[in-house]
Amino acid sequence: GDSVTQMEGPVTLSEEAFLTINCTYTATGYPSLFWYVQYPGEGLQLLLKATKADDKGSNKGFEATYRKETTSFHLEKGSVQVSDSAVYFCALSETSYDKVIFGPGTSLSVIP
Amino acid sequence: KAGVTQTPRYLIKTRGQQVTLSCSPISGHRSVSWYQQTPGQGLQFLFEYFSETQRNKGNFPGRFSGRQFSNSRSEMNVSTLELGDSALYLCASSLTGNDEKLFFGSGTQLSVL
Repeated sequence: GDSVTQMEGPVTLSEEAFLTINCTYTATGYPSLFWYVQYPGEGLQLLLKATKADDKGSNKGFEATYRKETTSFHLEKGSVQVSDSAVYFCALSETSYDKVIFGPGTSLSVIP
Repeated sequence: KAGVTQTPRYLIKTRGQQVTLSCSPISGHRSVSWYQQTPGQGLQFLFEYFSETQRNKGNFPGRFSGRQFSNSRSEMNVSTLELGDSALYLCASSLTGNDEKLFFGSGTQLSVL
């Protein structure tokens, strides 16, 4: 079945450091790929998405490119801030009806 | 526009009891889906409803059920609670449920003692 693998962390970075969170997926077809973020005490929020190969999703300085050849969707940000501290979930959706498969989440802490 | 509202925010139950959780989607959204979040299993899809019909279901036992009302509000029920049902239950809504952005509520934290 479909699955998502991502580095679990926790990841601790200093402010203004470069961030990469690796994500790879297994799917039978051509899924849409997502990054969701969960801030402390809040529900998940969509951070960015890509629907086809070579698409780049971007939002709030975060970027991820849909790489079909490597089945990857790595999240990057050039300069993290303390306010980026959260749990990041890589996810895919291959079928309709909102069945989204989530990775285990990566906890990020950014220290001043 | 109000977001997805889940009630109650916290629940404490004992084994064998049953529980009902409520979710009000964003106005105009007709699809509501439910997820269970635990430290060990992460986020797992429970089911999705659209226009009062369950269209998709995850791999959970029959003790987990749900329904959707004509105003798109949804309820989730868990009967004969087990310790392992302790989790954060998240509700998400979208316009049609077809590969769109999901809007999540803050969740209901269920503790089974």
